[in-house]
Amino acid sequence: DVQMTQSPSTLAASIGDRVTITCRASENVNRWLAWYQQKPGKAPKILIHKASILKPGVPSRFSGSGSGAEFTLTISSLQPDDFATYYCQQYNRFFTFGPGTTVHIK
Amino acid sequence: EVHLVESGGGSVQVGRSLRLSCGASGFMFENYAMHWVRQAPGKGLEWVAGISWNRESVAFADSVRGRFLISKDDAKKSLSLQMSSLRVEDTGLYYCVKMAGWDLPPGELNYFDSWGQGTLVTVSP
Repeated sequence: DVQMTQSPSTLAASIGDRVTITCRASENVNRWLAWYQQKPGKAPKILIHKASILKPGVPSRFSGSGSGAEFTLTISSLQPDDFATYYCQQYNRFFTFGPGTTVHIK
Repeated sequence: EVHLVESGGGSVQVGRSLRLSCGASGFMFENYAMHWVRQAPGKGLEWVAGISWNRESVAFADSVRGRFLISKDDAKKSLSLQMSSLRVEDTGLYYCVKMAGWDLPPGELNYFDSWGQGTLVTVSP
């Protein structure tokens, strides 16, 4: 099975901060990596697929990069709507989610 | 607009069975792979099972293989998850999820692009 890790598990940030979340896979997943945002009591929402392709409607302050086994999600200037939990997911060999990174208000 | 509505959740005892259903609308259901993803209370996301557009390929997480079955009824635009021999660790919110693509092997469109709101399954000792 492909194992996914994320760091940090939680982070506290202020409005306007640049935020970076790292996701690592236990093996090469090429660029088959997606990022999801989940707010409390809501279903997850796709932000990015194929490591760096932003879904239509997702603000351009979100970006993704990486390939192989290491990936990052960056929020260039944190906005109030961005406080949420973020999950990476590999879809190279079936489907595995990372444990999540919760972004709190500092 | 894609709309996925889960039903069938509830409280059951260990060892019993439960069948979840998902009604789909707003897209060509017969053309897409569909999945179930669950989330234990306060925990992260776990992929449970998936089925290809034509029902020829199915896949299960190791944790449920042999106990759960997934099926897809294109005429009714419905996805189902038959769960048997339920365990306490099966407790969670079960999401019906649409994949962007149609088949299960690795591919560019194998991410999850639409989610229902979930149905809660509680398994007690």
